[in-house]
Amino acid sequence: DGGITQSPKYLFRKEGQNVTLSCEQNLNHDAMYWYRQDPGQGLRLIYYSQIVNDFQKGDIAEGYSVSREKKESFPLTVTSAQKNPTAFYLCASKVGSGETGELFFGEGSRLTVL
Amino acid sequence: GQNIDQPTEMTATEGAIVQINCTYQTSGFNGLFWYQQHAGEAPTFLSYNVLDGLEEKGRFSSFLSRSKGYSYLLLKELQMKDSASYLCAVMDSNYQLIWGAGTKLIIKP
Repeated sequence: DGGITQSPKYLFRKEGQNVTLSCEQNLNHDAMYWYRQDPGQGLRLIYYSQIVNDFQKGDIAEGYSVSREKKESFPLTVTSAQKNPTAFYLCASKVGSGETGELFFGEGSRLTVL
Repeated sequence: GQNIDQPTEMTATEGAIVQINCTYQTSGFNGLFWYQQHAGEAPTFLSYNVLDGLEEKGRFSSFLSRSKGYSYLLLKELQMKDSASYLCAVMDSNYQLIWGAGTKLIIKP
């Protein structure tokens, strides 16, 4: 079945460590997105990619990095520079960034900093 | 600035009807989405409105008034499984989604 797979579902990190969250889709979508969700707030865009080998900063990119070497994959690295990384991270995709179609979401990754 | 407003929490009774409102101010408009999100899970798509009026899909309906910057999601014949957060999102002129904080709906027996 087509969909988006995020891993790991739960991740614990010590302060000062970088961690990478995986996002893989087999929907043949061009556009992929990373969002952060905190209690009581709307989804906030971290990074997005419209095509392979290209990505753009969202509203809260500081302390995060991404790559888009393959159409199917859009991993997110949470670096030690991110001061408050504990959150629920959602990866999403859609057919094209200039399209009005719906976003499809992965199941999410919950990161906790110890 | 861009802003999406929706109530933080609502409570309703099983079998009843509930209306969740969403007002927005955005740079351009390419449609409004409603998503359902159960606790700890990913959002799932419910509806998309780009023209004024009511879209009905089973027990769920969504209404849009572009001139008023207003939408609502109507849920009929409420079931316990409808307990979730409902997210309103507007697609702006750059095709980016601007998200509301979500409305937590509590269904009581």
